[in-house]
Amino acid sequence: AQSVSQHNHHVILSEAASLELGCNYSYGGTVNLFWYVQYPGQHLQLLLKYFSGDPLVKGIKGFEAEFIKSKFSFNLRKPSVQWSDTAEYFCAVNPPGGGADGLTFGKGTHLIIQP
Amino acid sequence: DAGITQSPRHKVTETGTPVTLRCHQTENHRYMYWYRQDPGHGLRLIHYSYGVKDTDKGEVSDGYSVSRSKTEDFLLTLESATSSQTSVYFCAISEPKSGSTAREQFFGPGTRLTVL
Repeated sequence: AQSVSQHNHHVILSEAASLELGCNYSYGGTVNLFWYVQYPGQHLQLLLKYFSGDPLVKGIKGFEAEFIKSKFSFNLRKPSVQWSDTAEYFCAVNPPGGGADGLTFGKGTHLIIQP
Repeated sequence: DAGITQSPRHKVTETGTPVTLRCHQTENHRYMYWYRQDPGHGLRLIHYSYGVKDTDKGEVSDGYSVSRSKTEDFLLTLESATSSQTSVYFCAISEPKSGSTAREQFFGPGTRLTVL
């Protein structure tokens, strides 16, 4: 069974600091990779996704992620965070194919940005 | 935002009572999902549907059943609610793109269920 590990459960940063959230997955084949964000009291929103092609993907709000196949990793980055980036961040994976497989999520990283 | 609504948005019920949560979509997406979100666990898949009347179990399906009689509606039923089912429940939808096996899921606003 596939699994997703997010290394940092809680991260506290100051505004303008750089951010990197780790995500590793265990799955032997090709996968689709996602980062979702959940602002306080809201539903999950897609930040970015990787299906194939350029391993460096850019998402909304200045976020980007790099897929490193050899390391089974898909780390999320942002060069300069803002107070409004305070949220819960989830890495998720599902295998490609025409099936309806659900997403496997990591346990999430709670990010707090201090003014 | 994707056209997904969930009802009710909040519910408090007692142990042993039946509960049904509804997910309604206006996107005509083929696939629909129910997840539960619990602190320290992220989101876990309960059941999913790959078409009308076609459903399958996810990772944490015990104690839950689902039905999908129309494309737009996906119901989650707790036959006899227990305190361990206190959680936030999210519905999601997805549609495979023509010529591609890639797909992403869009999430509804969630239902906060408390079982006393």
